[in-house]
Amino acid sequence: EAGVAQSPRYKIIEKRQSVAFWCNPISGHATLYWYQQILGQGPKLLIQFQNNGVVDDSQLPKDRFSAERLKGVDSTLKIQPAKLEDSAVYLCASSLVAPGGNTEAFFGQGTRLTVV
Amino acid sequence: KQEVTQIPAALSVPEGENLVLNCSFTDSAIYNLQWFRQDPGKGLTSLLLIQSSQREQTSGRLNASLDKSSGRSTLYIAASQPGDSATYLCAVRIQGAQKLVFGQGTRLTINP
Repeated sequence: EAGVAQSPRYKIIEKRQSVAFWCNPISGHATLYWYQQILGQGPKLLIQFQNNGVVDDSQLPKDRFSAERLKGVDSTLKIQPAKLEDSAVYLCASSLVAPGGNTEAFFGQGTRLTVV
Repeated sequence: KQEVTQIPAALSVPEGENLVLNCSFTDSAIYNLQWFRQDPGKGLTSLLLIQSSQREQTSGRLNASLDKSSGRSTLYIAASQPGDSATYLCAVRIQGAQKLVFGQGTRLTINP
């Protein structure tokens, strides 16, 4: 079974530029997550989708970050304009929707963003 | 609000030792708890998933326990090897929205 695919693996941009990340979840996984992981910290949830609807985006800085999941499959996360503090690894994860919520999350390799 | 804490933040032990990593959470309303491994510059690899109704799960040299009522989980690694060096993260899936909340991780170094 193919895993969660993310691209690009690495990105370096200047502050105030824009950037986009792409995620392809495991086939059949209705739930998709985007996490931000700053060096030395645990991942922080940015946004959670179920199919193409947003379940939780309470920690997404909506003035600069946006995300979409067209057709309930692939997803893109965009930052515009980027700030120095956005330097982090952006992780995408997916999981099945199971009765009782007991389901396992699978993560991609992440995209390491450096803002200079 | 669910908070997850991992202690210690870093641990260094000689090869061959058995060790325990700790994870605590503040709200027992969870579906499950998952332990992950993260190598430098890489994504997260799932190690073990414990359902809220379970007490422990085992995979090879790894054993994870869950005490939901006290908000604690431990990851036991037997006969540690240098290849076990990585950051270990625990995450709880909270009831309702099924959001995954992570601890800050324990950076483990096994010295040959």
